[in-house]
Amino acid sequence: SAVISQKPSRDICQRGTSLTIQCQVDSQVTMMFWYRQQPGQSLTLIATANQGSEATYESGFVIDKFPISRPNLTFSTLTVSNMSPEDSSIYLCSVLRDRASTDTQYFGPGTRLTVL
Amino acid sequence: AQTVTQSQPEMSVQEAETVTLSCTYDTSESDYYLFWYKQPPSRQMILVIRQEAYKQQNATENRFSVNFQKAAKSFSLKISDSQLGDAAMYFCAYRTPTYNTDKLIFGTGTRLQVFP
Repeated sequence: SAVISQKPSRDICQRGTSLTIQCQVDSQVTMMFWYRQQPGQSLTLIATANQGSEATYESGFVIDKFPISRPNLTFSTLTVSNMSPEDSSIYLCSVLRDRASTDTQYFGPGTRLTVL
Repeated sequence: AQTVTQSQPEMSVQEAETVTLSCTYDTSESDYYLFWYKQPPSRQMILVIRQEAYKQQNATENRFSVNFQKAAKSFSLKISDSQLGDAAMYFCAYRTPTYNTDKLIFGTGTRLQVFP
């Protein structure tokens, strides 16, 4: 498995502001992902963070709203821009060490975001 | 598109008893991977068990086992000798490796309560 940390663990923000969430892994990984979990809901993939290139976004998510960086193989950030109360969710980072069939996605502890 | 369905929003079990959580999925792929993740109140997503679609043998991990029925597209989780620490949300997930992503598709989750 991998040891994954996220900062901040939680935050309360005002509408219209932006928050950047950091994800740090204890070893190099091939793939990093960002998921959103709205209150009482399941997890939905926002995007795949690609090292050295633009992230790959899922349908319904756009770069202007959720810019993502991945400067190296152990670190990624997700920014939630121009926040509204609808953005209140848990945001989770996950990693895949390599794309072998035997590998599994492991998740960070999540960031609980509340937008007032 | 692949979908994952968990038809039991909530389940309960007595300590030391056995409980089965249901999951069905829809896919046209022949090779894929299935997972059960556990999310306790701490919100950390924890891998419980995984199953490769090409394997006929059902996966087991200590007190956790699956009943994988590929033709029926069913993937249920059996928890034996339930413990208080098993209380959590359980998510069934399907993995679909594609060109530039490796997304997990989650079901809506089943909340498991364990009574002493």
